[in-house]
Amino acid sequence: QSALTQPRSVSGSPGQSVTISCTGTSSDVGGYNYVSWYQQHPGKAPKLMISDVSERPSGVPDRFSGSKSGNTASLTISGLQAEDEADYYCCSYAGTYTYVFGTGTMVTVL
Amino acid sequence: EVQLVESGGGSVQSGGSLRLSCAASGFTFNSYWMHWVRQAPGKGLVWVSRINVDASVTTYADSVRGRFTISRDNARKTIYLQMNSLRVEDTALYYCARLPVVGAQAIDNWGRGTLVTVSS
Repeated sequence: QSALTQPRSVSGSPGQSVTISCTGTSSDVGGYNYVSWYQQHPGKAPKLMISDVSERPSGVPDRFSGSKSGNTASLTISGLQAEDEADYYCCSYAGTYTYVFGTGTMVTVL
Repeated sequence: EVQLVESGGGSVQSGGSLRLSCAASGFTFNSYWMHWVRQAPGKGLVWVSRINVDASVTTYADSVRGRFTISRDNARKTIYLQMNSLRVEDTALYYCARLPVVGAQAIDNWGRGTLVTVSS
């Protein structure tokens, strides 16, 4: 149950796009289409942004998108906005009803 | 409105025990698997445990297996986390969260958390 690997931080100017990677193994990210992404602002509970690799829940802006290739999932934020500055975590089903989160990425809007 | 309200956190010495509770409201409780996720101060999210709808299947992270026990009372719409043999490294904000049995396979709602502090 090793944490999924994410970059510690990414940054971009308003209006730009940033992509956060989430690397696991064939036992988690690569083995199931159950990768989700969460946004967490300081002092707040996480918020679901993407489910099932690329599904966007109601109310989440369409500038957030998800994808997966092999053992790596990705979250892309297009048209970066100031309110997108937060920590982002990926999460994957890891079999036998267990789950694993990523190490977390801080997104900074320059 | 969906609400998950955790309670039971506090300060305890290493080796001690605590029992966390999470009261759910605003949704059909027995349509959701329930989870505990923790976050140490300044650190990332870590999945802790999951329980299915009728409490027949429970799973745990390796770091807590054998020390923590998750349970649920569907009549009270409440889940619990019994934490024994607590260690300093168990210090964290503990979140209660739900995952739908049908539909998107992701935690879609979280509580605000309850803080557990374990001292040596």
